[in-house]
Amino acid sequence: AQKITQTQPGMFVQEKEAVTLDCTYDTSDPSYGLFWYKQPSSGEMIFLIYQGSYDQQNATEGRYSLNFQKARKSANLVISASQLGDSAMYFCAMSPAGNNRKLIWGLGTSLAVNP
Amino acid sequence: GAGVSQSPRYKVAKRGQDVALRCDPISGHVSLFWYQQALGQGPEFLTYFQNEAQLDKSGLPSDRFFAERPEGSVSTLKIQRTQQEDSAVYLCASSPHRQDTQYFGPGTRLTVL
Repeated sequence: AQKITQTQPGMFVQEKEAVTLDCTYDTSDPSYGLFWYKQPSSGEMIFLIYQGSYDQQNATEGRYSLNFQKARKSANLVISASQLGDSAMYFCAMSPAGNNRKLIWGLGTSLAVNP
Repeated sequence: GAGVSQSPRYKVAKRGQDVALRCDPISGHVSLFWYQQALGQGPEFLTYFQNEAQLDKSGLPSDRFFAERPEGSVSTLKIQRTQQEDSAVYLCASSPHRQDTQYFGPGTRLTVL
């Protein structure tokens, strides 16, 4: 069965430091996509970064980078130079292969950035 | 440009009432998804449209849930005879054709009393 596991219910980081949020996944599909979304207290799900299973390089988007280790089936999110506005829930998600692009989600990690 | 919009943002219903939740996707986006997010959980897939065709409704929890997208743009999620367990945030997302990234609306928080 396809599954996303986020083992850190809550994380703390000092402002301006880097933080890594863990995500492991389970799938037998050779082709899939991995996503990270941010959900602030307002509730909207904000897209951060995407990694395709066949991408050779790790994805980066500004202060966000995805540490993709295919053999270990992990897709950790690294946030550099944390800002107070980064405090939110962070969800890892996977889209399996095929025409149906439904996302399978983890339980999320709550990140608190301390001043 | 305009993002995905959902209305209402908040809905309180008495048990047994019918509700209708609306989603306006990003203009031109072919795919539309509905998810249900219970408190403290990740979203759970409900249903998926490609244009007006509902290609997957495997996540709908019961026959009380019904979704439509008659003209391939706006979508409505209808819940009949609401139950307390239906209380959740209902998220709508859209994506361009043949692209993976889904863009979400602000959600509708449904509370069933």
